[in-house]
Amino acid sequence: EAGVVQSPRYKIIEKKQPVAFWCNPISGHNTLYWYRQNLGQGPELLIRYENEEAVDDSQLPKDRFSAERLKGVDSTLKIQPAELGDSAVYLCASSLPSSRGTQYFGPGTRLLVL
Amino acid sequence: SQQGEEDPQALSIQEGENATMNCSYKTSINNLQWYRQNSGRGLVHLILIRSNEREKHSGRLRVTLDTSKKSSSLLITASRAADTASYFCATVHVQGAQKLVFGQGTRLTINP
Repeated sequence: EAGVVQSPRYKIIEKKQPVAFWCNPISGHNTLYWYRQNLGQGPELLIRYENEEAVDDSQLPKDRFSAERLKGVDSTLKIQPAELGDSAVYLCASSLPSSRGTQYFGPGTRLLVL
Repeated sequence: SQQGEEDPQALSIQEGENATMNCSYKTSINNLQWYRQNSGRGLVHLILIRSNEREKHSGRLRVTLDTSKKSSSLLITASRAADTASYFCATVHVQGAQKLVFGQGTRLTINP
């Protein structure tokens, strides 16, 4: 079974530029999560989807961040414009509804904003 | 802000020794999970312990949970060089269905 797929793995951009990350969850997992992980810290949830509906986006900085999961499968997370403080690893995870919180993570996208 | 606090932040031991990491949390939980993260990789789920359980084993891993103290520990026995990684505890709140709140992690180094 394929795991959670993310691309790109690395991205270097200049501040004020836009950037987008893509995630394809494990087949059959209708719950999808985007996390941000700063260096030396644990992941922090940005947004959670149940199918195509964003059910928890309270931690998503909505002035510059947006996300979509149009067909309830893969998802994109966008930052526009990027700031220096956005440098981090962006992790995608997925789970089954009955998993009691057990999540399966992708390898992440490491973003560096110069 | 993150709920979990992990202790120690870093741990370095010799191969073959046991490694113990601790996690404390603040509010009532449904379950607590431990994840491992190798450098540059995503997180891998290790073990889940429910709020009504006190101890759980999986291979060389042993997890305990004390809900009265709001704390958990992860013991890795007979450590191996491949156990070198960061270990995170994550809690699922009673009212936070499927939302994981991570601690800051313990960086474990196993010296050969």
